Amino acid sequence: EDQVTQSPEALRLQEGESSSLNCSYTVSGLRGLFWYRQDPGKGPEFLFTLYSAGEEKEKERLKATLTKKESFLHITAPKPEDSATYLCAALDTDKLIFGTGTRLQVFP
Amino acid sequence: EPEVTQTPSHQVTQMGQEVILRCVPISNHLYFYWYRQILGQKVEFLVSFYNNEISEKSEIFDDQFSVERPDGSNFTLKIRSTKLEDSAMYFCASSGGRTNTEAFFGQGTRLTVV
Repeated sequence: EDQVTQSPEALRLQEGESSSLNCSYTVSGLRGLFWYRQDPGKGPEFLFTLYSAGEEKEKERLKATLTKKESFLHITAPKPEDSATYLCAALDTDKLIFGTGTRLQVFP
Repeated sequence: EPEVTQTPSHQVTQMGQEVILRCVPISNHLYFYWYRQILGQKVEFLVSFYNNEISEKSEIFDDQFSVERPDGSNFTLKIRSTKLEDSAMYFCASSGGRTNTEAFFGQGTRLTVV
């Protein structure tokens, strides 16, 4: 069965304390791996798409990487405004399969 | 910046009533989607729509659900006879096409069935 698993479920960081979020996937027809940010009561906000193993993309303090079995979202020197739930999703044919997300809290 | 727009932001309905959730996708996008998120759970795929027909649907998308693109700009999700378990956030999304797969989401409609 196609599945996307994220860890940890929750992460508390001090401002400036870098860390990584993990997304592992087993999707037979993978066409891409997506990262989204979701604030409470809001829709997922697109961050990155990765299409092939070895690919990396960066945006401000975030960097996403992809291997054949997992993806990482690295957060460098986070700020309180980076606090949100980060969702990973695998694109399988015409649908996104989402993980349960990592809830990130960054404290000043 | 182009965005996906959903209305209403919140809908309260009585069990057994019909509801229509509305979406305006990004104007040059070709693929349209509905997802839902029950409170505290993961985002779940409902249906994808391309070239005026459903291209894929999940087990959740049963005969009570239907989608329509009534004109060149709107994309709707209809639930014929709502159940308590249909209470959730419903998200519309759109993407450019097969080679432009980034899917952008709207802010959602919170559906509460009482």
